[in-house]
Amino acid sequence: QVQLVQSGAEVKEPGASVKVSCKASGYTFTGHHLHWFREAPGQGLEWMGGIQGGSGATKYGKQFQDKITMTSDTAISTVYMELTRLTSDDTAVYYCARVAVAGRGYFQHWGQGTLVTVSS
Amino acid sequence: IVMTQSPVTLSVSPGERATLSCRASQSVRSDLVWYQQKPGQAPRLLVYDSSTRATDIPSRFSGSGSGTDFTLTISSLQSEDSAVYFCQQYNGWPLTFGGGTYVEI
Repeated sequence: QVQLVQSGAEVKEPGASVKVSCKASGYTFTGHHLHWFREAPGQGLEWMGGIQGGSGATKYGKQFQDKITMTSDTAISTVYMELTRLTSDDTAVYYCARVAVAGRGYFQHWGQGTLVTVSS
Repeated sequence: IVMTQSPVTLSVSPGERATLSCRASQSVRSDLVWYQQKPGQAPRLLVYDSSTRATDIPSRFSGSGSGTDFTLTISSLQSEDSAVYFCQQYNGWPLTFGGGTYVEI
């Protein structure tokens, strides 16, 4: 079965960077895109961007283009999401997710979430 | 594409029906999904393509609509249905979500 396991919670100071990992198993890693979302306290879900597991091709949301980098390591079936120049507005739970069906933009499989807290 | 959900909170008794709405700022055809999210958990896919139930989703969940107006109906609510429900469109980029409806049993 498809499983996505994310790295643990992080606490960062304003201005720092954070890198969250998402290890995939149970399917052909190179055949699917993985996407990242975040959920800030009291707010809804926000799509951040996606990466193709095999080619590493990325698509980022406009509001994140200057501060996000997604990478893929096919050897260990893991994708990474790095966010730079953190502010308190980046405090959120971050999720990775895989589409239910290749080429469709909805998500059946989700990681457990990673809480990132930005605080001085 | 802006997704707007209503109501924000819905209080329903067990066994009753709940009707949740989602409106898109422009047509998304039938490219709409509904998720259920409980506290501390990741979202769970309920319905895709506006009206197709995902695997292992009980038949009391049903979706309808196309274009700009969509509905998720939960017939005969059960206590475990207490959660936040989100809609999401996948007709255009960026993917966007509604603000959610909290269903309180």
